[in-house]
Amino acid sequence: SQQGEEDPQALSIQEGENATMNCSYKTSINNLQWYRQNSGRGLVHLILIRSNEREKHSGRLRVTLDTSKKSSSLLITASRAADTASYFCATDAHSGGGADGLTFGKGTHLIIQP
Amino acid sequence: DADVTQTPRNRITKTGKRIMLECSQTKGHDRMYWYRQDPGLGLRLIYYSFDVKDINKGEISDGYSVSRQAQAKFSLSLESAIPNQTALYFCATSASRQGARPHTQYFGPGTRLTVL
Repeated sequence: SQQGEEDPQALSIQEGENATMNCSYKTSINNLQWYRQNSGRGLVHLILIRSNEREKHSGRLRVTLDTSKKSSSLLITASRAADTASYFCATDAHSGGGADGLTFGKGTHLIIQP
Repeated sequence: DADVTQTPRNRITKTGKRIMLECSQTKGHDRMYWYRQDPGLGLRLIYYSFDVKDINKGEISDGYSVSRQAQAKFSLSLESAIPNQTALYFCATSASRQGARPHTQYFGPGTRLTVL
């Protein structure tokens, strides 16, 4: 079962506006990552935030993490048509023994209208 | 990402056929993964391998098998394909060595498999 769940499932905004996507998860994590997927292509890593961090920036991306609420948000500022893609959060959970692969949410499909 | 390649990119096959999907990487990573993606769903882990001698089942391993022929190669087999295995399959790699971004994964371009 998915660890992370993104919200909303789909988002359509005008170019230039900001886009915010949210991710909720269920168990304690080591870190949380956001990936982007262009239609039919492989996922591309965007940003990683560790469990002891609250906010992180990378270019036009801003990620927040609230471990008390088990949630994260991804903000894309000044959106561009090229930002149209699906965005997934992925968690790397505390494992105790050996770690395993990331657990991905179902994604938010973002459409930027020109 | 040309560092992680998958072959074939597209495959149409019939129910009951044996299919092998191949993944190669030049990133020098020790960890490799196979995921499947279905429309409207996220990625689900099929198998993962932390080195050549280490193979682990993921969330949905039934009906699949894997082989880690070398550090750079990780193959996924469908012994007897069935229509509900129609999906987009992704290979990914990551590095466990100290100093590398922990568990950041690098994905191949995907293989679109259709089972009729």
